[in-house]
Amino acid sequence: DVQMTQSPSSLSASVGDRVTITCRAGQSISTYLNWYQQKAGEAPKLLISAASNFQSGVPSRFSGSASGTDFTLTISSLQPEDFATYYCQQSYYNPYTFGQGTKLEIK
Amino acid sequence: EVLLVESGGGLVQPGGSLRLSCAASGFTLSSSWMSWVRQAPGKGLQCVANIKQDGTVKYYADSVKGRFTISRDNTKNSLYLEMNSLRADDTAVYYCARDRGGSGDFGSDYWGQGTLVTVSA
Repeated sequence: DVQMTQSPSSLSASVGDRVTITCRAGQSISTYLNWYQQKAGEAPKLLISAASNFQSGVPSRFSGSASGTDFTLTISSLQPEDFATYYCQQSYYNPYTFGQGTKLEIK
Repeated sequence: EVLLVESGGGLVQPGGSLRLSCAASGFTLSSSWMSWVRQAPGKGLQCVANIKQDGTVKYYADSVKGRFTISRDNTKNSLYLEMNSLRADDTAVYYCARDRGGSGDFGSDYWGQGTLVTVSA
């Protein structure tokens, strides 16, 4: 299975901060990389697919990028509702695999 | 409105079996790859299995291969996960999810609320 390594595993930040979460694939996955947000007690929500295409309704402060096997999720200006856990997922090789998650907490 | 509603979770003894169901509405089930994704308490997400639109192609995580079977009945708008030889480390919330794209490789855009499976004596 393709290993996905996310960093950091946790992050403390303040409202208004710019934050970046990184995901590295263990092998080439083209741009078949998706980002999810999960709040406590809720199902995950798809934010970005194919590395940089955001889903309808997702605020424009979220963006994604790719460089080789490295992928980043950037939140340009944190809002209170953004504090959650974020997961990357590769969807190039079955079974699809997730990163271990990044918990974004309020500083 | 797209809705996915899981059922069938519960408490089962190690070595036991359970069948999860996912009722889909608001879209044509036969047009989508579908997945089961699980999350152990306090842990991350794991794709357990996924299945092609017509049910002819299925993939499984190594940890469940040979024990779990994914299936679907498009005429009943339903997805299933048959789980046998359950172990304590199968304890998790199990989510049903719809996969985007004709090949199901653009992420899961709709998820159910999840059903909890607890494997314990």
